[in-house]
Amino acid sequence: QTAVTQEPSLTVSPGGTVTLTCASSTGAVTSGYYPSWFQQKPGQAPRALIYSTGNKHSWTPARFSGSLLGDKAALTLSGAQPEDEAEYHCLLYYGGGQLVFGGGTKLTVL
Amino acid sequence: QVQLVQSGAEVKKPGASVKVSCKASGYTFASYSMHWVRQAPGQGLEWMGIINPSGGSTTYAQKFQGRVSMTRDTSTATVYMELSSLTSEDTAVYYCTRGGTLTSWYLDFWGRGTLVTVSS
Repeated sequence: QTAVTQEPSLTVSPGGTVTLTCASSTGAVTSGYYPSWFQQKPGQAPRALIYSTGNKHSWTPARFSGSLLGDKAALTLSGAQPEDEAEYHCLLYYGGGQLVFGGGTKLTVL
Repeated sequence: QVQLVQSGAEVKKPGASVKVSCKASGYTFASYSMHWVRQAPGQGLEWMGIINPSGGSTTYAQKFQGRVSMTRDTSTATVYMELSSLTSEDTAVYYCTRGGTLTSWYLDFWGRGTLVTVSS
């Protein structure tokens, strides 16, 4: 069973920078996994932020960026705002149409 | 604007089936795939599968093979997700989310979710 691993929780100060990562049990995450990132606030549906490693949707704030960092996918938040406090989910593509979400990272802005 | 409107909450008994609908508007329905994702209480997101509204082809997560069926009605721009042999572990919010045109890995717009509760 393929597993995608994220940090369970992270804390960032207002105005600070934080990087969330997304690892695969199968090995290094590459662009071929088309990493995506989603933000979810309590009681709401997820909202897409990043697709295909580092591409932003039209509504994605500029302070969010996606990349590959070592053998993982990464989401970096630069200049954290109180409204960025949320759960962040990564999603990886494993071919054959199969997708797997990570367990999510709860980000606290404090 | 793109909208995905899902059907209302359901309460089912163990062993039953549930069918959730997702009505799309604001774009060309047949041109974009549709994914289904669920989230159990206090848990992360779980990808269930994808349907191509154009031809109706589907790909399901291995975990749900044999128990899930995704269909579509192009005349009403609606996709359906039916899950059978329900257990308490299927209690979750079920989301439809629009996929890409030619890609299986792209998701953008999400429905608000449908709560399915399985309880005797």
